[in-house]
Amino acid sequence: NAGVTQTPKFRVLKTGQSMTLLCAQDMNHEYMYWYRQDPGMGLRLIHYSVGEGTTAKGEVPDGYNVSRLKKQNFLLGLESAAPSQTSVYFCASSYTLRDSHGNTEAFFGQGTRLTVV
Amino acid sequence: DAKTTQPPSMDCAEGRAANLPCNHSTISGNEYVYWYRQIHSQGPQYIIHGLKNNETNEMASLIITEDRKSSTLILPHATLRDTAVYYCIVRVSGNTPLVFGKGTRLSVIA
Repeated sequence: NAGVTQTPKFRVLKTGQSMTLLCAQDMNHEYMYWYRQDPGMGLRLIHYSVGEGTTAKGEVPDGYNVSRLKKQNFLLGLESAAPSQTSVYFCASSYTLRDSHGNTEAFFGQGTRLTVV
Repeated sequence: DAKTTQPPSMDCAEGRAANLPCNHSTISGNEYVYWYRQIHSQGPQYIIHGLKNNETNEMASLIITEDRKSSTLILPHATLRDTAVYYCIVRVSGNTPLVFGKGTRLSVIA
């Protein structure tokens, strides 16, 4: 049981390049989330998904796209990277209230450190 | 979701109880209080949550005031490994994403 796994752990991109961050969870969670964390700040929600095939915008969605083609995977894409997207990205997953049996905690991955130069 | 207010930083001596306050004066009746912590840029870790009763688990205790406008997370015997940023979050349980503030940076001192 690996929990939430993020790939890659580190990446350096040039401005204008594209990339996809992969989040995989093996806990059969319905909900998945992508956050970014800038130095000295709390986490900010980029996009989230309440189930396979669904996505929704969070606080800071501009410049990012997401897809949830399979329940266990949530992909975060940067089409044209900018230096302002230099950050640490965290993925998380959780049960829905209906399926939680009282356990509504979110589980987080270890983060992807992205630098855009 | 209701907003929360936490002190930016606190110190605690190793072995003593760490009491981390959180103000959530606009909390609604169906909103829970959640606590997470983040150790040195790792992914946040769930600690505890509650609605109106006090809660305790193997990690911590959560004391919620009777009017629910504030709460305190208690780490009964803080260790150096408890040094982290602690986030107090108010949300409708399970069906809304976690919204993080800046949290409280707890430093446990030997």
